[in-house]
Amino acid sequence: DGGITQSPKYLFRKEGQNVTLSCEQNLNHDAMYWYRQDPGQGLRLIYYSQIVNDFQKGDIAEGYSVSREKKESFPLTVTSAQKNPTAFYLCASSPQGADTQYFGPGTRLTVL
Amino acid sequence: KNEVEQSPQNLTAQEGEFITINCSYSVGISALHWLQQHPGGGIVSLFMLSSGKKKHGRLIATINIQEKHSSLHITASHPRDSAVYICAVINGNQFYFGTGTSLTVIP
Repeated sequence: DGGITQSPKYLFRKEGQNVTLSCEQNLNHDAMYWYRQDPGQGLRLIYYSQIVNDFQKGDIAEGYSVSREKKESFPLTVTSAQKNPTAFYLCASSPQGADTQYFGPGTRLTVL
Repeated sequence: KNEVEQSPQNLTAQEGEFITINCSYSVGISALHWLQQHPGGGIVSLFMLSSGKKKHGRLIATINIQEKHSSLHITASHPRDSAVYICAVINGNQFYFGTGTSLTVIP
């Protein structure tokens, strides 16, 4: 089955702790994206990567970090510097140059 | 200012009603998506269109490039259509998302 997986579905962390969200795809897509979704707001781009070992900041990258060591994987770390980390995080991927993205099921992060 | 504006923000309909959700955008685009997000949070793509009209079952999407406007119509609405519908436009490498329209269809 081809698709995008994100784990875990729900994640709880104490304030001040770093946490890493997983995103894996077996669609052989070159590009991968991380979005944040808050109530009443559209999806906002955190980071994206168009190729292995390369990534760019999106609109709200502060307090986040990513890596792209493998084509299949694009983990997102929410650091203690992110002031409002509680949100729903969506990962997506797309073939290079394509006009469509495929979304994972999302991870709901709650920082207590 | 949002590059993509959707209306209405919230919509409640009786089962069987015809529903229209609107999307206006301010950037040049290569394509426009209509996405559906169910309460669990996962997002699926309903349509991608760059001109004219597309139909899939009870769903119809139209786009007017000159007016920078798209509509999503649902005919004979059903409670299982209850979801958030998101309009997204693509400009180069950048995706711009609307804030979504929350639809509730009451039996």
